[in-house]
This record gives sequence, C-alpha cells and structure tokens, in this order.
Amino acid sequence: DTEVTQTPKHLVMGMTNKKSLKCEQHMGHRAMYWYKQKAKKPPELMFVYSYEKLSINESVPSRFSPECPNSSLLNLHLHALQPEDSALYLCASSRLAGADTDTQYFGPGTRLTVL
Amino acid sequence: AQSVTQLGSHVSVSEGALVLLRCNYSSSVPPYLFWYVQYPNQGLQLLLKYTSAATLVKGINGFEAEFKKSETSFHLTKPSAHMSDAAEYFCAVSDHNTDKLIFGTGTRLQVFP
Repeated sequence: DTEVTQTPKHLVMGMTNKKSLKCEQHMGHRAMYWYKQKAKKPPELMFVYSYEKLSINESVPSRFSPECPNSSLLNLHLHALQPEDSALYLCASSRLAGADTDTQYFGPGTRLTVL
Repeated sequence: AQSVTQLGSHVSVSEGALVLLRCNYSSSVPPYLFWYVQYPNQGLQLLLKYTSAATLVKGINGFEAEFKKSETSFHLTKPSAHMSDAAEYFCAVSDHNTDKLIFGTGTRLQVFP
C-alpha cells in the first residue's frame, strides 16, 4: 500500500483564521514533505521532516507552521494567510529523506482558498 | 545543480496514437529520474523511475521511458493513447547536492477521440 491521505480535501478560510492541514501515512516512511502547487505549475517544496525532525525549510513565511507529532503524521498549521497563499497543498512521504534514496509518494492534496 | 526541461507545455494526440512526452535533464553525476502524472484536482502519482538498473523503464498504465545518457534525455512514451491518459505529466530529477526532487514545468496531455 502506497497511500498518503490528506484532510481536508478543500478548505476555505479568511485571512484572520487559524486552520490546520493534516497528512497521514502508514507505510513506515521516515521522511515527510509539504509542497505548495499553484495552478499550471509544478510543486514547490516547503518543508521536509526526517525522523520527525525538520530538516529543510525553504524560507517559508512564518504564517505556515509545520509539525510532525509522530512518524505517521504531518500537520501544517495556517495563520494569517494571504489570498496569494491559495493553492493546492500536497503532502508526500518516502522511506528515507533524500531524493536519491527513495521515491516520494504523494497524497491527493488539500485545495486551499484564502478569502 | 540538476535541472529538467520538458519540451512542450501542451501535447495533443488522437486516441490510439503514440504518446511522446519529452524530458531532458542536466546532471553532473548519474541521476535518478522520475515521471509523475497528475489528474485534475488530484495529487501526483508515480508512473515510473530510473535508478540506473536498466535504461528502459516500464511503468504503470502502459507507459515506459528510456534513459539515454548521450542525449541526456528521459522521454516518456505510450504506444496507444487512451482518453483516460489526459492529465498533466511531470518529469523530475533528484538533486544530489540538496536531496530535493527537482520538477520540470509539466506537459499537459490532451487526447482527442
């Protein structure tokens, strides 16, 4: 089974709201990723967690706050977002961190709209 | 740094025709290469990957890709297109220096009846 699940599927929020995106995998993978994808563009890496520790932060604004409570779960906490943050947010996981070593498996994404 | 170039942002074929999606990479060392497919309003699904074991890689849904070092290419092909193949296709290369996956800009495949 190579399934990564994400909830919610769709999210609409105002600029003053606080919300969270959730990602889960049960493949025993020790690396998890958050990507942002704008329409008609490739995914852009935001964060990488390796063994539940943040290993890469691609200079993402602090209004995005990742959290990895355990090896199966990855959250992305959202606060004071801007309309330009509207996008598809994709979660991925791989056996280990490092694109050389293993394949990244992606979830279906959360479509976020910021009003 | 590694990079990938996908030639053609849009490709249109008739159902039953050959599908050819082009990908060229730049890498100073043998790369790991991937093709992902994204259907509308969905995440990315791995089609196939090259990890130096064999130059011709077979993937899911009848797709395959051939690694050609002399041409620095990793083009994706399918002998006969199906309507359900209509999607966005991304070529990606692993970046040895940063451990990141570097995506191409994507190619939208349209299949006409």
